Amino acid sequence: KAGVTQTPRYLIKTRGQQVTLSCSPISGHRSVSWYQQTPGQGLQFLFEYFSETQRNKGNFPGRFSGRQFSNSRSEMNVSTLELGDSALYLCASSLYSTYEQYFGPGTRLTVT
Amino acid sequence: AQSVTQLDSHVSVSEGTPVLLRCNYSSSYSPSLFWYVQHPNKGLQLLLKYTSAATLVKGINGFEAEFKKSETSFHLTKPSAHMSDAAEYFCVVSDPGNTPLVFGKGTRLSVIA
Repeated sequence: KAGVTQTPRYLIKTRGQQVTLSCSPISGHRSVSWYQQTPGQGLQFLFEYFSETQRNKGNFPGRFSGRQFSNSRSEMNVSTLELGDSALYLCASSLYSTYEQYFGPGTRLTVT
Repeated sequence: AQSVTQLDSHVSVSEGTPVLLRCNYSSSYSPSLFWYVQHPNKGLQLLLKYTSAATLVKGINGFEAEFKKSETSFHLTKPSAHMSDAAEYFCVVSDPGNTPLVFGKGTRLSVIA
């Protein structure tokens, strides 16, 4: 089975712009979670989608949003980028919410 | 709410010596526990998981972990470190139900030749 894929792998954006990141889960997986990883804060949960519904949301401002499509692919969007949004954004998929998660390689976002 | 504490931010061992990465958790329920590894500039890879079956869990690459409810611990061990084990390791707890995973802050393992 193909693993979790994320596109793009690297991204450079300017403050104030918006960005959309994409995640394709493992075939058959219905749950997709997003995480932000930074050296200072570690791994922080952003949100989780299951069957196109947002099931859980972390403590992030409304500038961070996401969605899931009927084929379980997911996108996350960050509007009005700030320097502090520079991070590795990881996507993980699982069969169900509390099963083990399988991670993609991440998208490295740099905001200048 | 569940939480997890990784007791060491950095562990350094010599190649061929044992590895011990310590993790304590807090949960009001019978949690699931995981260890993940992250090599530089890579995503996270699942090493092993505990889901209320055997308390000694074997994972990939010779790693194992023991669930000790009385000590609320889930330490990761390996008998003999290899250079390729150098990476960041994350202990993760998950309560039953639709609750998100909670990650520890990570332990960076260095292996010295």
